[in-house]
Amino acid sequence: DAGVIQSPRHEVTEMGQEVTLRCKPISGHDYLFWYRQTMMRGLELLIYFNNNVPIDDSGMPEDRFSAKMPNASFSTLKIQPSEPRDSAVYFCASSFGKGISRDTEAFFGQGTRLTVV
Amino acid sequence: KNEVEQSPQNLTAQEGEFITINCSYSVGISALHWLQQHPGGGIVSLFMLSSGKKKHGRLIATINIQEKHSSLHITASHPRDSAVYICAVRLVYGQNFVFGPGTRLSVLP
Repeated sequence: DAGVIQSPRHEVTEMGQEVTLRCKPISGHDYLFWYRQTMMRGLELLIYFNNNVPIDDSGMPEDRFSAKMPNASFSTLKIQPSEPRDSAVYFCASSFGKGISRDTEAFFGQGTRLTVV
Repeated sequence: KNEVEQSPQNLTAQEGEFITINCSYSVGISALHWLQQHPGGGIVSLFMLSSGKKKHGRLIATINIQEKHSSLHITASHPRDSAVYICAVRLVYGQNFVFGPGTRLSVLP
């Protein structure tokens, strides 16, 4: 497996524009996580899915952020409208958590570096 | 108080030195994850452990559940070990991780 794949790797957009980040989890994994990393706050969970269903979205900053997982192999994180304070690295991660030991690692994508100007 | 704390925040070592990075947490956890983030930004999983000790090459991770503490050791450190090391705990309920602030390690040749 190629691992968790995110696209694009870099995105520069103007304030007010819509931004869509994409993630393909590792095949067979049933958990998918979206994280945001900034210098000030480090890594923070935005939302995570189990079997394509959102379980915890308490980390989503505000209504401008939305995430979907239409099937087991694809998820999107959308920001509309984008603002300069959304500039960060957004990571997607996946793991397998169904009925096995607790020692289940999360595998991370390479991240999308978003810059909103 | 943060739920996950790491020490030291920054660490500079000479090549060959033995390195210890500490992680302490204040919440109930089901497992603890050590991650490595290189200057390029990618995050790599090093260990996931819920008890005892794990070893992989020059890396050793230990956890003491009673004391809510984990350590990551690097033996015979090398400049390529230079990275940010992040401790993350998986809470007892759910599959989410809470991350520590990271320890920035620089190993000088």
